Amino acid sequence: KAGVTQTPRYLIKTRGQQVTLSCSPISGHRSVSWYQQTPGQGLQFLFEYFSETQRNKGNFPGRFSGRQFSNSRSEMNVSTLELGDSALYLCASSWAFTTGELFFGEGSRLTVL
Amino acid sequence: QQQVKQSPQSLIVQKGGIPIINCAYENTAFDYFPWYQQFPGKGPALLIAIRPDVSEKKEGRFTISFNKSAKQFSLHIMDSQPGDSATYFCAASVGNQGGKLIFGQGTELSVKP
Repeated sequence: KAGVTQTPRYLIKTRGQQVTLSCSPISGHRSVSWYQQTPGQGLQFLFEYFSETQRNKGNFPGRFSGRQFSNSRSEMNVSTLELGDSALYLCASSWAFTTGELFFGEGSRLTVL
Repeated sequence: QQQVKQSPQSLIVQKGGIPIINCAYENTAFDYFPWYQQFPGKGPALLIAIRPDVSEKKEGRFTISFNKSAKQFSLHIMDSQPGDSATYFCAASVGNQGGKLIFGQGTELSVKP
């Protein structure tokens, strides 16, 4: 069974640009969550989607957005990039939103110059 | 109240030792407490998890101890091996928000041969 797949794995952007990251969950999983990981702030929850609906949102500015498609695949977008957005962005999937048993991908490493 | 506090930040043990990592929480609505293991360049992987109705859970060499009254839980790694060297994160979530994990800051464990 394939794991959570995130693309791209690495990307470099400049301030002011926008970026879209993609996540394909484990087959059969309908819940997708996104996290930001930085050395200073650790792992922070961004948002969670289930059946194309955002169920939960973390304390991030509106520049961070996401969506989920009917096949459970998800994308997150960051607009007007800032230097502080440099981070590892992790996607996790689970079969339902009621379980905390999350399966993480290897992440997308974003560097903002 | 949403925080999970983890200690120590780093830990060095000899092979065969028993590293112990501690976490504390405030939110009594938390009802799922997983531990994740992360190797460099990889996403976090679920190691073991516990719910508040159980005081201890063992899976292989990994044991969670849970003290509901003190609002604390800990991870013990028996007979630690160099391959256990990784960063360990405790986390907590509320039942119907399973995709929203609140993570501790992480403990970098090094097991010396």
